[in-house]
Amino acid sequence: EDKVVQSPLSLVVHEGDTVTLNCSYEVTNFRSLLWYKQEKKAPTFLFMLTSSGIEKKSGRLSSILDKKELSSILNITATQTGDSAIYLCAVSYYGGSQGNLIFGKGTKLSVKP
Amino acid sequence: DAMVIQNPRYQVTQFGKPVTLSCSQTLNHNVMYWYQQKSSQAPKLLFHYYDKDFNNEADTPDNFQSRRPNTSFCFLDIRSPGLGDAAMYLCATSRDFGIAGQNEQYFGPGTRLTVT
Repeated sequence: EDKVVQSPLSLVVHEGDTVTLNCSYEVTNFRSLLWYKQEKKAPTFLFMLTSSGIEKKSGRLSSILDKKELSSILNITATQTGDSAIYLCAVSYYGGSQGNLIFGKGTKLSVKP
Repeated sequence: DAMVIQNPRYQVTQFGKPVTLSCSQTLNHNVMYWYQQKSSQAPKLLFHYYDKDFNNEADTPDNFQSRRPNTSFCFLDIRSPGLGDAAMYLCATSRDFGIAGQNEQYFGPGTRLTVT
């Protein structure tokens, strides 16, 4: 069965800390991996990764895909309280009968002042 | 099995002719989302409902509207489709927001819209 697993489920850090969120997947016909940030509203798109080993950056956030290890990490440096959210990882695949995105359960990040 | 159903799977419409895409869910989830996905791009959120509360993304064109008459059904209306609106339209549901483990989204199979 195709699945996407995120770890940890929740994480509490202090402002200024650096965090690493993990996403691993077992998906047939992998196409891309996506990261979203979700606060108390619909998710906001962060990154889409299709090639292994190429880091994508946006400000203090960066992410990289390892197709050999079937995983991705999302790094946030110098965390701020505004980074508090649930971070969702999703994997897109070719074909399939029930949608073409599989989401993980998310990692809830809490950044304390 | 509980699931998310989209109808039709393929829709062809003419330039400027209104079209409605349908989504239904048997999961009894609070949240329903509509995404637009063009070839080789990430799905782009158009809007979502939390129960009856409608939330439009800032950059969603006015041409796109949505209705949620009850918990189970949600519709995407495109008032005057243009050639640039040809895409896969994905409906998704989640139990809630802000609670790890309940944000997980369940997607329907999508409706591929062609505009001629």
